[in-house]
Amino acid sequence: GAGVSQSPSNKVTEKGKDVELRCDPISGHTALYWYRQSLGQGLEFLIYFQGNSAPDKSGLPSDRFSAERTGGSVSTLTIQRTQQEDSAVYLCASSLTGGKNIQYFGAGTRLSVL
Amino acid sequence: RKEVEQDPGPFNVPEGATVAFNCTYSNSASQSFFWYRQDCRKEPKLLMSVYSSGNEDGRFTAQLNRASQYISLLIRDSKLSDSATYLCVVNIPPSGGYNKLIFGAGTRLAVHP
Repeated sequence: GAGVSQSPSNKVTEKGKDVELRCDPISGHTALYWYRQSLGQGLEFLIYFQGNSAPDKSGLPSDRFSAERTGGSVSTLTIQRTQQEDSAVYLCASSLTGGKNIQYFGAGTRLSVL
Repeated sequence: RKEVEQDPGPFNVPEGATVAFNCTYSNSASQSFFWYRQDCRKEPKLLMSVYSSGNEDGRFTAQLNRASQYISLLIRDSKLSDSATYLCVVNIPPSGGYNKLIFGAGTRLAVHP
């Protein structure tokens, strides 16, 4: 597929467990973004990657959230010790560069913390 | 004040109606503006960019008023398939060399027969 791919599409976990969410951007896109969307809310920026580095992590809500990107491609968002308020759809987007390029979104991972 | 504000709606309109959505943004230095469309339980997809002189794509017309920091989207001859949430998106001027986008919470449109 040529689009942004995210997995899993749905994740149900128990409070206190760790989860890993994966994003595979469009081939050749150097910029990658993670967002969170709670029910009925807008998109909340989490983190931006340019290549493997993250110049902007300002949106990560707490130190339980971390992300990495390897090989300038796949990115993993990790949430440790999940809380119920972490329940949301986590969306990944990529763009050709970090400049004025359109962001293309994956279908998201719907996380439910019980 | 939110960085991007939209009327949440919902806008309930009959097929064939013309409907307009408005959006205001707070950062006067913003340079890039977009409308994204998000269907229920789907990802956002770019509908159209918004240019200074205004632009049209078929039934959709986007306008930008920099002085008032205001963006609009006009949909003519609404179709059932236009039912979705429309997200107003504005950039934060490049810092750290990248184009940070701020998304409005969206305006929901429901087109009925």
